[in-house]
Amino acid sequence: DAGITQSPRHKVTETGTPVTLRCHQTENHRYMYWYRQDPGHGLRLIHYSYGVKDTDKGEVSDGYSVSRSKTEDFLLTLESATSSQTSVYFCAISGSGDTDTQYFGPGTRLTVL
Amino acid sequence: DAKTTQPPSMDCAEGRAANLPCNHSTISGNEYVYWYRQIHSQGPQYIIHGLKNNETNEMASLIITEDRKSSTLILPHATLRDTAVYYCIVRVVGAGGTSYGKLTFGQGTILTVHP
Repeated sequence: DAGITQSPRHKVTETGTPVTLRCHQTENHRYMYWYRQDPGHGLRLIHYSYGVKDTDKGEVSDGYSVSRSKTEDFLLTLESATSSQTSVYFCAISGSGDTDTQYFGPGTRLTVL
Repeated sequence: DAKTTQPPSMDCAEGRAANLPCNHSTISGNEYVYWYRQIHSQGPQYIIHGLKNNETNEMASLIITEDRKSSTLILPHATLRDTAVYYCIVRVVGAGGTSYGKLTFGQGTILTVHP
């Protein structure tokens, strides 16, 4: 399995509080991604990064920000969590070029009360 | 990315081959066929991918029709641990730079392997 860890694995928080999820990789891959998974919607891309300090929005980026100060870490921040952000969050990584298969982390289950 | 169509569910007996079909009739010449699976509560797991030739690895085989409009994922000897949701995805590979090959997950096929 690709060396991807996510922390925390489970979190319960209250509406209006800031939350940061961390994705850490040991593969030295260039690309990193944050997805959320909700019943009836499959996986949807939130943000992705194509290098250190280089990020871009995915299809459901409102209410989320990201940062990547090192190749191995990609942080997802909910500035002010809302109940609609209750979800399972997955991080993924990929190389580049013809070998850019995405490999996924174990996920973080976030509950916003 | 091209849209894919998969049956919502399938059953398979343990030890038998599981053949999961996927239709992707609008696939473009530069789009690959990818298969992932997701076991309950875990992250999606990459299985295999191909462009136009059949592919095999330690997990599965991928058969792509000559016109590339459909494909079949084959798990040669299914086990109870293969019970999962299987996703067929078509995507562009190697966009590079600031782009990426978008990975769009549909509803997939729920494969249940029974004893």
